[in-house]
This record gives sequence, structure tokens and C-alpha cells, in this order.
Amino acid sequence: KNEVEQSPQNLTAQEGEFITINCSYSVGISALHWLQQHPGGGIVSLFMLSSGKKKHGRLIATINIQEKHSSLHITASHPRDSAVYICAVRSVAMRFGAGTRLTVKP
Amino acid sequence: EPEVTQTPSHQVTQMGQEVILRCVPISNHLYFYWYRQILGQKVEFLVSFYNNEISEKSEIFDDQFSVERPDGSNFTLKIRSTKLEDSAMYFCASIRETGNTIYFGEGSWLTVV
Repeated sequence: KNEVEQSPQNLTAQEGEFITINCSYSVGISALHWLQQHPGGGIVSLFMLSSGKKKHGRLIATINIQEKHSSLHITASHPRDSAVYICAVRSVAMRFGAGTRLTVKP
Repeated sequence: EPEVTQTPSHQVTQMGQEVILRCVPISNHLYFYWYRQILGQKVEFLVSFYNNEISEKSEIFDDQFSVERPDGSNFTLKIRSTKLEDSAMYFCASIRETGNTIYFGEGSWLTVV
């Protein structure tokens, strides 16, 4: 069983839609990262969470430590949001989810 | 915006050859990491480095792999005798302190033929 599970694996949305990507993990963690991987392969950190909620522009990330679950929300999605979104948790070492491939169509 | 730089961006090497991938982490960062991503698969942790020594490593990071910070700026990953299955994108990353944002390099794409 993967220690970090993401859902959905693939997601297609129309521009303007509200997007939710989920991450569940099974290990004790000190922090959870949401990362964005562009089609060219580069990885950018979006959020680092250890509790509660963070917001940056149209992106919102939440974490529930007791339930070992985090969500990434994108409001008013745009084609430029198309990327792979990766959940990664820091325990002894960083463990990555398989990613959610998001395609936003105009 | 500070950035982690990696070289080369792409390298093709013969099986059995040694490869060195180079990274320049952000200058005031203290924790350094190598990850790899085989094509179509998820990112995997290889090794973390702090205070001039390995702090953690995964089962992937066997005796064929080594890391060095030879001059206080570069952080290198060496693969001694490459295998076909070492073909992957290798990412370097750094953090100022634990609990801070992690910064990734653009990756070095290694193809072993």
C-alpha cells in the first residue's frame, strides 16, 4: 500500500470550475507539501502545511492531521493551471504521491 | 526569486559509465536533497544531506551512488557504474531550515543506453 495516496489520478475541468485534489497518508508526518510539476518537468512548491489552512491567490490548501488528509483547492481554474499536482509528506524522509494530472480546458 | 540550478540538463551515457550530476543549492540553505523520477512514475527520495554528511537515504541509494559537497556551493550526485534502470530525471532540492519551503532545481535528465 502506498504511504501517500492521491485522488483523482486524472482530472479534466472547464475553465472557471472549482477544483479539489485530495491526499491521504498513512505515516506520521512533520509537514505536508503540495507541489506543482509543469509539463517540462520542473517542480515548484505551492504550500507547506503542518496544520490548518493556507491560501495563496486562487489556491487553498487544508490539512486535517487527525484524519491524515489534505486537500488542494483551485478556485476559478484557468488553462494555465494545467499541470501535475503532487502531494508529498515529510516523515523520516519525504514520500511522494503519484500525482494528479489536471487539464483545464478553455 | 532564488533558485536551485542543476547541470547538465540532459546527459546520455553508456551503461557502466560514471556520471556526475551537479547542483548549486540556494546560497543560505542548509539541507540538500536528491530525488529521481523515472519516466511516467512518481518522484522518489534518494538522499538528504546536512552539515556535510548524509542524514537519510532510501533503499534506492545503494553503493553505486554517492553525494558530495566539495566546495561549499556545489552539491553533486555520482553514479559509479550506470545501469539502464538509472535512466530518470534527477532533481536536486534545498531548504533553509526544516519547516521552510523546499526549492527544486529544473532537473537533470539522465539517459543510460
